[in-house]
Amino acid sequence: EAQVTQNPRYLITVTGKKLTVTCSQNMNHEYMSWYRQDPGLGLRQIYYSMNVEVTDKGDVPEGYKVSRKEKRNFPLILESPSPNQTSLYFCASSIGIGAYEQYFGPGTRLTVT
Amino acid sequence: GESVGLHLPTLSVQEGDNSIINCAYSNSASDYFIWYKQESGKGPQFIIDIRSNMDKRQGQRVTVLLNKTVKHLSLQIAATQPGDSAVYFCAESTGYSGAGSYQLTFGKGTKLSVIP
Repeated sequence: EAQVTQNPRYLITVTGKKLTVTCSQNMNHEYMSWYRQDPGLGLRQIYYSMNVEVTDKGDVPEGYKVSRKEKRNFPLILESPSPNQTSLYFCASSIGIGAYEQYFGPGTRLTVT
Repeated sequence: GESVGLHLPTLSVQEGDNSIINCAYSNSASDYFIWYKQESGKGPQFIIDIRSNMDKRQGQRVTVLLNKTVKHLSLQIAATQPGDSAVYFCAESTGYSGAGSYQLTFGKGTKLSVIP
């Protein structure tokens, strides 16, 4: 089954404790992206990757890192999480850049206390 | 996803009626538009897209209309069903032509509630 998976689905952590949210897709998609979703603000892009070893900042990249060492994986790293990073995070992938529908993962709900 | 629907415009529709969800976009250079549906606790799901060289596109029970003059996009759902209850987002991009940004900019969303 074609899908985007994220782990963990739920995470409660404390300020400053490094964490990684994994994202994997099995569709051989070139383009992958991370979004955060907050009430009243909609979906905002954090980082995106157009292919292996090619990443770029989205609208809200501060406090986040990403890597794309393999085509299928695109982990989101929070080196020192803060409470304002409490949010619902979505990973997405698409066959290419630009005008292609994006397939979204199920989301990761992160709470930073 | 439970908190996604808070603070959103809400459209309540009787089951079987047609629904029209509207979206105003901001960038006159946008050349590609998508509608997504997000059910509670799930990620957004692609519904339909439209390129800027079109003003109408139809899918199964859904139609997207694009009015570039007033930068307005609408999603029409025919014979609305309880399973259509969700938050609907429009998104725009300038990436179709290859000359713009590959990023999708999402609207805030509209919550559709279907009354059985």
